Amino acid sequence: GESVGLHLPTLSVQEGDNSIINCAYSNSASDYFIWYKQESGKGPQFIIDIRSNMDKRQGQRVTVLLNKTVKHLSLQIAATQPGDSAVYFCAEIYGQNFVFGPGTRLSVLP
Amino acid sequence: NAGVTQTPKFQVLKTGQSMTLQCAQDMNHNSMYWYRQDPGMGLRLIYYSASEGTTDKGEVPNGYNVSRLNKREFSLRLESAAPSQTSVYFCAIRGQGHQPQHFGDGTRLSIL
Repeated sequence: GESVGLHLPTLSVQEGDNSIINCAYSNSASDYFIWYKQESGKGPQFIIDIRSNMDKRQGQRVTVLLNKTVKHLSLQIAATQPGDSAVYFCAEIYGQNFVFGPGTRLSVLP
Repeated sequence: NAGVTQTPKFQVLKTGQSMTLQCAQDMNHNSMYWYRQDPGMGLRLIYYSASEGTTDKGEVPNGYNVSRLNKREFSLRLESAAPSQTSVYFCAIRGQGHQPQHFGDGTRLSIL
């Protein structure tokens, strides 16, 4: 069975709706942040990143928001599709140090 | 995940056995990393290599050794496997500056 993603918080979303996945980070000195997507049996895949001098960055169907005041990062996925079902986790980077969150499982309902 | 190749994909070992996990990249990046991923936890860094010829310990190095054979290859060795080392192991690479890490598809290791 799949060992990745057990005991994670789960977000269930209807197909076509927007998804918002949240992440709290710990180090106020972190200056670079990344969201990854991990599908079952695969390695983490880069989705989008943001530097600390920005508070919003948009990609294709995805938006990352950064609130440095409360050390919070969010990933918004527009028009969620079945292929978006995966575990999503954030990473905060300071210097050469990458710190990864445990992730949130996104489940897309038909 | 194009660019990072890990072998083997699966392995079952008995306690006390040794084995080497292989990682090779074709993106010419200096930095390479080994992580383990356990249920409900974030990726934890075992060892990393900032450049050919250098290696440094990460958060959980005990029970592991690494070798940066050349710029392309970074191997992880378990000298005497223990059940606590049952995990999924990921190799990652990274370019210079504010760049994300790129991961391989992992090695799923079970130690009985």
